[in-house]
Amino acid sequence: AQSVAQPEDQVNVAEGNPLTVKCTYSVSGNPYLFWYVQYPNRGLQFLLKYITGDNLVKGSYGFEAEFNKSQTSFHLKKPSALVSDSALYFCAVRAYRDYGNNRLAFGKGNQVVVIP
Amino acid sequence: GAGVSQSPSNKVTEKGKDVELRCDPISGHTALYWYRQRLGQGLEFLIYFQGNSAPDKSGLPSDRFSAERTGESVSTLTIQRTQQEDSAVYLCASSLGNRNEQFFGPGTRLTVL
Repeated sequence: AQSVAQPEDQVNVAEGNPLTVKCTYSVSGNPYLFWYVQYPNRGLQFLLKYITGDNLVKGSYGFEAEFNKSQTSFHLKKPSALVSDSALYFCAVRAYRDYGNNRLAFGKGNQVVVIP
Repeated sequence: GAGVSQSPSNKVTEKGKDVELRCDPISGHTALYWYRQRLGQGLEFLIYFQGNSAPDKSGLPSDRFSAERTGESVSTLTIQRTQQEDSAVYLCASSLGNRNEQFFGPGTRLTVL
């Protein structure tokens, strides 16, 4: 079964500094990888995904993530954090296949706090 | 266009009562998912609908939980004889087929007293 680990409960970063949110995964075969963001009292919003192709994927709001197959990681990054980036970030994985349930396995989430 | 909508946004109920939660997916999305998010935890898969195929109910935690979907539109999640451990945010998501990213609704916050 697929699983995701997000090792840090909270990430604190000063505004303007680089932001990194870590994610490692476990899945049989090739993965589909996703990042979602959740603002207070709102549903999850899709940020970006890796399906195939370039290991560096770019998404919404200036975020990007790098797929590293050897380290089974998919860390989320932003070069310069904004206070408005403060939110809960979830990494998710599913196995690559063309049939059946697109069930995503989610990590427990990382709270990002950007300090003005 | 309109996103995934859910109702009610908040539901407070007494232990032992039944509750029904509603999800309206994005028009044209064939796949629909229900998840549960307990406080401070990640999302827990509950059930998946894809077109006219039999739903994948493997994530439902007990027989008190059930869900239905009418064609490729509205879905309802029903929890019978609610317990305090059912308190959580229930999230619905839809996607265009099973290979695409899921779009989430705002959730229903259920509190069982």
